[in-house]
Amino acid sequence: EDQVTQSPEALRLQEGESSSLNCSYTVSGLRGLFWYRQDPGKGPEFLFTLYSAGEEKEKERLKATLTKKESFLHITAPKPEDSATYLCAVRSGSNYQLIWGAGTKLIIKP
Amino acid sequence: DAGVTQSPTHLIKTRGQQVTLRCSPKSGHDTVSWYQQALGQGPQFIFQYYEEEERQRGNFPDRFSGHQFPNYSSELNVNALLLGDSALYLCASSPTRFGTEAFFGQGTRLTVV
Repeated sequence: EDQVTQSPEALRLQEGESSSLNCSYTVSGLRGLFWYRQDPGKGPEFLFTLYSAGEEKEKERLKATLTKKESFLHITAPKPEDSATYLCAVRSGSNYQLIWGAGTKLIIKP
Repeated sequence: DAGVTQSPTHLIKTRGQQVTLRCSPKSGHDTVSWYQQALGQGPQFIFQYYEEEERQRGNFPDRFSGHQFPNYSSELNVNALLLGDSALYLCASSPTRFGTEAFFGQGTRLTVV
């Protein structure tokens, strides 16, 4: 059964304190790993898609990496506006659906 | 370019009632998926529509049904509402069935009392 686990559940950082969020996955035939950002009461906002181990994507203070078992979302020198829940999802095999983790709630204190 | 739009944004219904939620996909997208998100959890896949047909369905009862129109817009219908149906309902569109990124609307917050 396809499964996605995110850790930690919540992370509090000081502004400028870099860290990483983890997304571990078990799927039969990965067809894409997706990172989204979600603000309270809103829909998820697309950040990155990764397809194969070793792939990396960057956007402003965020960098996503992928191995055969997990993905990391690295945040460098975060700002308070980076506070949000970060969600990871995978698509596998011939499935049309996305399988989601429960998310990591990131709080950046000024 | 308008993104994915959903209506209404908030809704309060009574147990046993029926509800219809609406979604207009992003321009150029022909595939619409619906998700249910409970507080503090990741979204759960309800179903996907492509070419006006339901292509895949998640683990949701038949009380949940949908429709896609020729202009690619979609509706989600839920019958015989239960308290447990209270959640954020998300619509996502993508350019193909196996589209790369799925783009989400702002969601409809459904509260069943």
